[in-house]
Amino acid sequence: NAGVTQTPKFRVLKTGQSMTLLCAQDMNHEYMYWYRQDPGMGLRLIHYSVGEGTTAKGEVPDGYNVSRLKKQNFLLGLESAAPSQTSVYFCASISGGARREYTQYFGPGTRLTVL
Amino acid sequence: RKEVEQDPGPFNVPEGATVAFNCTYSNSASQSFFWYRQDCRKEPKLLMSVYSSGNEDGRFTAQLNRASQYISLLIRDSKLSDSATYLCVVNGPGGGSYIPTFGRGTSLIVHP
Repeated sequence: NAGVTQTPKFRVLKTGQSMTLLCAQDMNHEYMYWYRQDPGMGLRLIHYSVGEGTTAKGEVPDGYNVSRLKKQNFLLGLESAAPSQTSVYFCASISGGARREYTQYFGPGTRLTVL
Repeated sequence: RKEVEQDPGPFNVPEGATVAFNCTYSNSASQSFFWYRQDCRKEPKLLMSVYSSGNEDGRFTAQLNRASQYISLLIRDSKLSDSATYLCVVNGPGGGSYIPTFGRGTSLIVHP
């Protein structure tokens, strides 16, 4: 049971390049989230998903797209990276469902630098 | 006004001290509450849930005051290893909404 994993762990991009961050969870959780964390800003929600095939915008969605084609995976895409997207990105999941389990489990993070 | 507010600190305390953090939230319909711990450059990890009746886990005590809309975390007999950022998390409103709102965190530094 690996919990929540993220790939890659580190990445350096040039302005305008694209990339996809992968989040995977093996806990059969319904809800998944993408956050970014910047110094002094705390965790900010980018996008989230309440189930396979569904996604919704969070607090700071501009410049990002997401997909949840499989329940265990939640992908975050940057189509044209900008220096303002330099950040640490965390993925998280919640069980949800009938048990109404609200505890979030986080992945180890992806450190992205856009030059 | 931010939905979840915390004093960023840092709180700088000696080993063995007792320290308390507060967190206020704006949405009175919030349903569940948590404290997470985050070490430098690592992911947040659940420290404890916060229940209406208050709850204790070893040296840590969490309390919820719904009337005043705040939660608190008390750490007794501080250890060097308690140095971290403590995040207040509020879920809700209810009705099946699982959108956690994070405070910006309170930094704790425990020194010898």
